Formats: sequence, structure tokens, C-alpha cells
Amino acid sequence: DSGVTQTPKHLITATGQRVTLRCSPRSGDLSVYWYQQSLDQGLQFLIQYYNGEERAKGNILERFSAQQFPDLHSELNLSSLELGDSALYFCASSDPGNTDEQFFGPGTRLTVL
Amino acid sequence: LAKTTQPISMDSYEGQEVNITCSHNNIATNDYITWYQQFPSQGPRFIIQGYKTKVTNEVASLFIPADRKSSTLSLPRVSLSDTAVYYCLVGEYRNNNDMRFGAGTRLTVKP
Repeated sequence: DSGVTQTPKHLITATGQRVTLRCSPRSGDLSVYWYQQSLDQGLQFLIQYYNGEERAKGNILERFSAQQFPDLHSELNLSSLELGDSALYFCASSDPGNTDEQFFGPGTRLTVL
Repeated sequence: LAKTTQPISMDSYEGQEVNITCSHNNIATNDYITWYQQFPSQGPRFIIQGYKTKVTNEVASLFIPADRKSSTLSLPRVSLSDTAVYYCLVGEYRNNNDMRFGAGTRLTVKP
């Protein structure tokens, strides 16, 4: 158990809909990262937050957005969903002042029908 | 960001030592090399990190030559449970905000 929790574990929705994925980092970790993993594209970095502020942005679509709240939990919002958005979405957290190690959550499996 | 190149897949047998090499020709002076392991439908898990020469922990060793343009992850006496995807990443130490996972190396351990 990495200490990172993600909800929900599974999510099935229809094209055009909007969903919110939630992540709670390990206690004390200030950084939260979001990744997308689909079968044909491997693990793709989406975005990173540090103590509530966006720090780095990767291959995140404009239909996707994220935020980190004062209690350090984070949410990833996916809108106007398309079939190709079906994937595993991982959240990771770290304490970047002390280590490079990122601790990954169990993931949310999103299926868009 | 330094680009990394790894073999797409490798096969091994139980009890053998497995060496997975990663090329990172454009590694910068402040960059460290980190390896992660990922089992199906699970998030990646940190294995080992190093800067130069050799690093060893309870699960693996990491060999980095003097020019640092490559690195080799060594898994001693693999078992079936070591079947996983292994990712090599290169980034600035304690400032590795943008971790780029490549395709990784899919290791299959056979009985």
C-alpha cells in the first residue's frame, strides 16, 4: 500500500459526459502528479501540482483540468469525454524536497462507451 | 529532458540474473537515473536511483559507467513475480517535476 488513495476505482460513462477523479496523497506529500495510461500510449504524464500551485504540465488535453485543494487532495476533471479517453488514470505523490520517489495510487479505470 | 531508450521486451528464466540497459546520451550534469517497476493494472513502484558508479539495494543493482550515457538495472535471480514492465527515467535530482515514462521494457520470466 503506497498510502495514496484514488476514487473511484472504476468509472463507466458515456461519450460527451464529464467526470471527476479524486486523489488523496500520502500524509505530508506536497506534490501530486496525474498520469494517463492507455493500451496504445503507455504512461503519459498529465500535470503536477505542488502545494496547491501548478508546477508542470505534460500532455494534458484542454478538455481536462486539475486542481489541488488546501488539504492537498487533488481532482482531475475530464469533460466532453471521447472513446479514446478510456484509460487508467494514476495519481502519484511525493515530497520533492527530500526524494525523487513518487508513490503511485491504485488508479482509476475509466471506460467511455 | 534527456531522452531514454530501452529494449521493448526481454525474456528470462527463473533463477537467472537479468540486466536491462537504458541509453540516455543527452543526460545533463544534474540528472539522476531512476528505475520503476510496474505490474499490470498497478501504479509504478520505485526500484532504485543513482548518479554514477554502482548503487545496490535489497532488490536490485544499478550500474552507471563514467560517461553516464547509459545505465544497467540488474535483477539477481529473478522469479516469476518479477515479470513486469521496467521504466528508466532521467531527471534533475529533487527537481524532477516532469517525469517522462517511455514505453519501458517488458520483462517476462519463464519457469
